[in-house]
Amino acid sequence: SQQGEEDPQALSIQEGENATMNCSYKTSINNLQWYRQNSGRGLVHLILIRSNEREKHSGRLRVTLDTSKKSSSLLITASRAADTASYFCATAANTGGFKTIFGAGTRLFVKA
Amino acid sequence: EAQVTQNPRYLITVTGKKLTVTCSQNMNHEYMSWYRQDPGLGLRQIYYSMNVEVTDKGDVPEGYKVSRKEKRNFPLILESPSPNQTSLYFCASSIIQGSNQPQHFGDGTRLSIL
Repeated sequence: SQQGEEDPQALSIQEGENATMNCSYKTSINNLQWYRQNSGRGLVHLILIRSNEREKHSGRLRVTLDTSKKSSSLLITASRAADTASYFCATAANTGGFKTIFGAGTRLFVKA
Repeated sequence: EAQVTQNPRYLITVTGKKLTVTCSQNMNHEYMSWYRQDPGLGLRQIYYSMNVEVTDKGDVPEGYKVSRKEKRNFPLILESPSPNQTSLYFCASSIIQGSNQPQHFGDGTRLSIL
Protein backbone atom coordinates (compact mmCIF):
# COMPACT_ATOMS: atom_id res chain seq x y z
CA SER A 1 0.00 0.00 0.00
CA GLN A 2 1.14 3.53 -0.68
CA GLN A 3 2.48 5.37 2.32
CA GLY A 4 3.25 8.74 0.82
CA GLU A 5 0.31 10.69 -0.47
CA GLU A 6 0.88 13.97 -2.25
CA ASP A 7 -1.55 16.76 -2.73
CA PRO A 8 -2.61 18.39 -4.82
CA GLN A 9 -2.65 15.78 -7.56
CA ALA A 10 -2.15 18.53 -10.11
CA LEU A 11 -1.14 22.17 -9.92
CA SER A 12 -1.09 24.80 -12.63
CA ILE A 13 0.61 28.15 -11.99
CA GLN A 14 2.15 31.06 -13.86
CA GLU A 15 5.87 31.45 -14.26
CA GLY A 16 7.30 33.42 -11.35
CA GLU A 17 4.75 32.15 -8.84
CA ASN A 18 5.58 29.79 -6.00
CA ALA A 19 4.44 26.17 -6.07
CA THR A 20 3.73 24.21 -2.91
CA MET A 21 3.21 20.48 -2.82
CA ASN A 22 2.41 18.40 0.24
CA CYS A 23 3.13 14.84 1.22
CA SER A 24 1.68 12.79 4.05
CA TYR A 25 2.94 9.45 5.28
CA LYS A 26 1.81 6.85 7.77
CA THR A 27 4.72 5.29 9.64
CA SER A 28 7.83 6.52 11.42
CA ILE A 29 10.61 7.44 9.04
CA ASN A 30 14.37 7.86 8.96
CA ASN A 31 14.18 10.44 6.24
CA LEU A 32 11.96 11.71 3.45
CA GLN A 33 13.02 12.53 -0.06
CA TRP A 34 11.59 14.46 -2.94
CA TYR A 35 12.09 13.45 -6.54
CA ARG A 36 11.23 15.03 -9.85
CA GLN A 37 10.16 13.23 -13.02
CA ASN A 38 9.97 14.78 -16.43
CA SER A 39 7.35 13.17 -18.61
CA GLY A 40 8.04 9.45 -18.95
CA ARG A 41 11.64 9.72 -17.79
CA GLY A 42 13.42 8.37 -14.75
CA LEU A 43 13.15 10.13 -11.43
CA VAL A 44 15.81 12.58 -10.35
CA HIS A 45 16.58 13.08 -6.69
CA LEU A 46 16.01 16.64 -5.48
CA ILE A 47 16.45 16.79 -1.73
CA LEU A 48 16.55 14.61 1.37
CA ILE A 49 15.41 15.72 4.80
CA ARG A 50 16.18 13.66 7.88
CA SER A 51 13.66 12.94 10.59
CA ASN A 52 15.47 15.24 13.04
CA GLU A 53 15.41 18.17 10.61
CA ARG A 54 12.50 20.56 10.24
CA GLU A 55 13.51 22.54 7.18
CA LYS A 56 16.02 22.29 4.38
CA HIS A 57 16.89 24.48 1.42
CA SER A 58 18.49 23.78 -1.91
CA GLY A 59 18.51 26.61 -4.43
CA ARG A 60 14.88 27.49 -5.13
CA LEU A 61 13.65 24.46 -3.22
CA ARG A 62 12.51 24.55 0.36
CA VAL A 63 11.39 21.40 2.14
CA THR A 64 9.76 21.20 5.54
CA LEU A 65 9.07 18.15 7.65
CA ASP A 66 6.61 17.82 10.50
CA THR A 67 7.02 14.39 12.05
CA SER A 68 4.22 15.01 14.55
CA LYS A 69 1.78 15.42 11.64
CA LYS A 70 3.62 12.94 9.44
CA SER A 71 3.75 15.44 6.63
CA SER A 72 6.22 17.28 4.43
CA SER A 73 5.96 20.11 1.95
CA LEU A 74 8.03 21.07 -1.06
CA LEU A 75 8.08 24.73 -2.04
CA ILE A 76 9.49 25.81 -5.39
CA THR A 77 10.00 29.55 -5.43
CA ALA A 78 9.94 31.75 -8.52
CA SER A 79 8.87 28.85 -10.70
CA ARG A 80 9.97 28.52 -14.31
CA ALA A 81 8.44 26.72 -17.26
CA ALA A 82 11.29 24.21 -16.96
CA ASP A 83 9.95 23.20 -13.53
CA THR A 84 7.00 21.56 -15.27
CA ALA A 85 7.21 17.93 -14.12
CA SER A 86 5.78 15.46 -11.64
CA TYR A 87 7.07 15.56 -8.08
CA PHE A 88 7.12 12.61 -5.71
CA CYS A 89 7.92 12.12 -2.08
CA ALA A 90 9.55 8.90 -0.94
CA THR A 91 9.93 7.39 2.46
CA ALA A 92 11.25 4.25 4.09
CA ALA A 93 9.86 2.90 7.32
CA ASN A 94 12.03 3.39 10.38
CA THR A 95 12.01 -0.32 11.12
CA GLY A 96 15.39 -1.31 9.74
CA GLY A 97 13.96 -2.44 6.43
CA PHE A 98 14.93 -1.10 3.04
CA LYS A 99 11.61 -0.83 1.26
CA THR A 100 11.03 2.52 -0.42
CA ILE A 101 7.53 3.88 -0.71
CA PHE A 102 6.61 6.57 -3.21
CA GLY A 103 3.50 8.65 -3.27
CA ALA A 104 1.30 9.05 -6.33
CA GLY A 105 2.89 12.40 -7.13
CA THR A 106 1.88 15.96 -7.92
CA ARG A 107 1.87 17.07 -11.54
CA LEU A 108 3.07 20.65 -11.77
CA PHE A 109 2.47 22.74 -14.88
CA VAL A 110 4.15 26.12 -15.06
CA LYS A 111 2.79 28.39 -17.76
CA ALA A 112 5.21 30.74 -19.46
CA GLU B 1 29.37 8.97 -16.42
CA ALA B 2 27.43 7.55 -13.48
CA GLN B 3 24.35 5.84 -14.80
CA VAL B 4 21.76 3.13 -14.51
CA THR B 5 21.10 1.44 -17.82
CA GLN B 6 17.96 -0.51 -18.61
CA ASN B 7 17.25 -2.60 -21.67
CA PRO B 8 15.11 -2.75 -23.61
CA ARG B 9 13.53 0.71 -23.45
CA TYR B 10 10.37 -0.50 -25.17
CA LEU B 11 8.92 -3.97 -25.61
CA ILE B 12 5.65 -5.28 -26.94
CA THR B 13 5.11 -8.97 -26.37
CA VAL B 14 2.41 -11.54 -25.84
CA THR B 15 0.96 -13.22 -22.79
CA GLY B 16 3.04 -16.08 -21.49
CA LYS B 17 6.25 -15.38 -23.35
CA LYS B 18 9.08 -15.13 -20.82
CA LEU B 19 11.01 -11.91 -20.86
CA THR B 20 13.89 -10.32 -19.01
CA VAL B 21 14.56 -6.64 -18.50
CA THR B 22 18.19 -5.97 -17.72
CA CYS B 23 19.52 -3.32 -15.39
CA SER B 24 23.13 -2.37 -14.89
CA GLN B 25 24.76 0.35 -12.79
CA ASN B 26 28.34 1.58 -12.88
CA MET B 27 28.48 3.27 -9.46
CA ASN B 28 29.34 0.22 -7.33
CA HIS B 29 26.07 0.67 -5.46
CA GLU B 30 25.01 -2.04 -3.04
CA TYR B 31 21.28 -1.29 -3.24
CA MET B 32 19.26 -1.91 -6.39
CA SER B 33 15.54 -1.88 -6.86
CA TRP B 34 12.78 -2.34 -9.43
CA TYR B 35 9.61 -0.26 -9.57
CA ARG B 36 6.58 -0.16 -11.77
CA GLN B 37 4.72 3.04 -12.49
CA ASP B 38 1.06 3.08 -13.36
CA PRO B 39 -1.19 6.12 -13.87
CA GLY B 40 -2.52 7.46 -10.59
CA LEU B 41 -0.53 4.98 -8.50
CA GLY B 42 2.92 6.48 -8.50
CA LEU B 43 5.85 4.10 -8.22
CA ARG B 44 5.42 0.76 -6.52
CA GLN B 45 8.39 -1.28 -5.48
CA ILE B 46 8.58 -4.78 -6.94
CA TYR B 47 11.81 -6.19 -5.53
CA TYR B 48 14.97 -4.77 -4.06
CA SER B 49 18.44 -6.07 -3.32
CA MET B 50 20.81 -4.94 -0.64
CA ASN B 51 23.81 -6.71 -2.10
CA VAL B 52 24.92 -9.69 -4.15
CA GLU B 53 22.71 -12.74 -3.54
CA VAL B 54 20.44 -10.71 -1.20
CA THR B 55 16.98 -9.90 -2.56
CA ASP B 56 13.68 -9.07 -0.92
CA LYS B 57 10.10 -8.42 -1.92
CA GLY B 58 8.66 -4.99 -2.28
CA ASP B 59 4.98 -4.20 -2.31
CA VAL B 60 4.03 -5.84 -5.61
CA PRO B 61 6.33 -8.86 -6.21
CA GLU B 62 3.72 -11.26 -7.63
CA GLY B 63 4.53 -12.41 -11.15
CA TYR B 64 8.15 -11.21 -11.05
CA LYS B 65 11.52 -12.69 -10.26
CA VAL B 66 14.90 -11.08 -9.78
CA SER B 67 18.47 -12.19 -9.28
CA ARG B 68 21.61 -10.47 -8.06
CA LYS B 69 24.58 -12.57 -9.07
CA GLU B 70 26.84 -9.58 -9.64
CA LYS B 71 26.87 -6.25 -7.89
CA ARG B 72 26.32 -4.21 -11.04
CA ASN B 73 23.40 -6.19 -12.53
CA PHE B 74 19.84 -6.71 -11.32
CA PRO B 75 17.63 -8.27 -14.01
CA LEU B 76 13.85 -8.38 -13.73
CA ILE B 77 12.28 -11.58 -15.03
CA LEU B 78 8.68 -12.08 -16.03
CA GLU B 79 8.31 -15.85 -16.37
CA SER B 80 4.78 -15.75 -17.77
CA PRO B 81 3.79 -12.15 -18.49
CA SER B 82 0.16 -11.15 -18.34
CA PRO B 83 -1.63 -8.00 -19.56
CA ASN B 84 -1.84 -6.59 -16.02
CA GLN B 85 1.96 -6.32 -16.08
CA THR B 86 1.76 -3.75 -18.84
CA SER B 87 3.49 -0.80 -17.23
CA LEU B 88 6.47 1.52 -17.13
CA TYR B 89 9.32 -0.09 -15.21
CA PHE B 90 12.23 1.63 -13.53
CA CYS B 91 15.43 0.29 -12.08
CA ALA B 92 17.27 2.31 -9.45
CA SER B 93 20.39 2.02 -7.33
CA SER B 94 21.93 3.67 -4.31
CA ILE B 95 24.57 3.28 -1.66
CA ILE B 96 23.55 1.80 1.66
CA GLN B 97 24.09 4.03 4.66
CA GLY B 98 20.99 3.30 6.63
CA SER B 99 17.80 3.07 4.66
CA ASN B 100 16.28 5.29 1.99
CA GLN B 101 19.34 6.84 0.40
CA PRO B 102 18.97 8.95 -2.75
CA GLN B 103 18.42 6.63 -5.66
CA HIS B 104 19.68 6.94 -9.21
CA PHE B 105 17.10 5.90 -11.76
CA GLY B 106 17.33 4.43 -15.21
CA ASP B 107 15.32 5.92 -18.07
CA GLY B 108 12.61 3.30 -17.84
CA THR B 109 11.30 0.34 -19.82
CA ARG B 110 7.84 0.52 -21.27
CA LEU B 111 6.34 -2.98 -21.45
CA SER B 112 3.15 -3.83 -23.27
CA ILE B 113 1.80 -7.35 -22.78
CA LEU B 114 -0.89 -8.26 -25.30
